[in-house]
Amino acid sequence: DAGITQSPRHKVTETGTPVTLRCHQTENHRYMYWYRQDPGHGLRLIHYSYGVKDTDKGEVSDGYSVSRSKTEDFLLTLESATSSQTSVYFCAISQSDLSGNTIYFGEGSWLTVV
Amino acid sequence: AQRVTQPEKLLSVFKGAPVELKCNYSYSGSPELFWYVQYSRQRLQLLLRHISRESIKGFTADLNKGETSFHLKKPFAQEEDSAMYYCALKYGNKLVFGAGTILRVKS
Repeated sequence: DAGITQSPRHKVTETGTPVTLRCHQTENHRYMYWYRQDPGHGLRLIHYSYGVKDTDKGEVSDGYSVSRSKTEDFLLTLESATSSQTSVYFCAISQSDLSGNTIYFGEGSWLTVV
Repeated sequence: AQRVTQPEKLLSVFKGAPVELKCNYSYSGSPELFWYVQYSRQRLQLLLRHISRESIKGFTADLNKGETSFHLKKPFAQEEDSAMYYCALKYGNKLVFGAGTILRVKS
């Protein structure tokens, strides 16, 4: 499982409230990612990080912010949740091996905005 | 721009039949392609990557640069192959995914 833990795994929240999802990794990987999974769209990159305090936007970053103050934690924040942000959120890391760099995923966080 | 297309939302086959899940890509650089599988409500698991040319669970995929394709194949489907399959293209240190294909293997 590449040492990735996501929390919370399930959350229901109200429109307009802030929400933070946490991704924790135990293997000192440099690259971390947040994707969202929606039917008909596959997985889309929200934000990614290439080191402590180094982050960049993905293709669907509007309405989301991230922070990485420690190597092991990558936080995704919805400042004011909307119903369109109801989704499954996956954290991922990039791991180097003999074949190059491969991206591995966490178990997902199910977020419902009502 | 980089793009991955999986034309089939759902592929339904009988147990023992051959399977081919289609994937086409658009990328100006040298492509690095992957197949991921997701069983019901679980994490995405790496199934194959073209660079290692391996066979996992009987699945194979060959990169065809002329046709810009990376189709996933298995000669004899099994019921436990039922899952969502995603094709993905790596660019830099990021992945772009296709929309996914649900494979249903009927007994």
